[in-house]
Amino acid sequence: DTGVSQDPRHKITKRGQNVTFRCDPISEHNRLYWYRQTLGQGPEFLTYFQNEAQLEKSRLLSDRFSAERPKGSFSTLEIQRTEQGDSAMYLCASSLARGWENTIYFGEGSWLTVV
Amino acid sequence: AQSVTQLDSQVPVFEEAPVELRCNYSSSVSVYLFWYVQYPNQGLQLLLKYLSGSTLVKGINGFEAEFNKSQTSFHLRKPSVHISDTAEYFCAVTDPLGGGGADGLTFGKGTHLIIQP
Repeated sequence: DTGVSQDPRHKITKRGQNVTFRCDPISEHNRLYWYRQTLGQGPEFLTYFQNEAQLEKSRLLSDRFSAERPKGSFSTLEIQRTEQGDSAMYLCASSLARGWENTIYFGEGSWLTVV
Repeated sequence: AQSVTQLDSQVPVFEEAPVELRCNYSSSVSVYLFWYVQYPNQGLQLLLKYLSGSTLVKGINGFEAEFNKSQTSFHLRKPSVHISDTAEYFCAVTDPLGGGGADGLTFGKGTHLIIQP
């Protein structure tokens, strides 16, 4: 069990550029989540997948954000035309949801700084 | 809707002293409760969880928490802290019957535990 891994860990980009983050969940976990965390705040839900299906998106996820999980394994989160307000840590998490058990495990996060 | 209140944004404690980090939640349904720890510039690590059964749950690194349904609390405790416990601690709640998304984990704003030598 290698845990949830995210890449890159840090990204500095100029305003207006596109960025993409990748997440590899724990093997065999059927759910994958994206959260955003800004300084001094707890993580906020963005979106989640059950296998390859994107089941829910938060109102925080503007049209500039898109997430995919094409084969039900790894996922990507793309932010187009980045803005300074997008600067945050983007956390990926995964879980094996079965019955009443659904403990969520987080990755190390990907820091985004938009300058 | 669920919400989590962590009453203290920052808690300074001397090394080897006991500590309690407070967490209160509001929910109209039954809940699962979690504590996560976040070390500087890292992701969240699960400390412990309450799903059902005994209201006193033990986690990693010597931490424990007690679920109190009447007071809607899930306070985190450790009898003797170490310098290495310096981190941000997040309490989170979820509805066992909810979906995985917005009905999933709702976090508090976090409590920064500062261990003083």
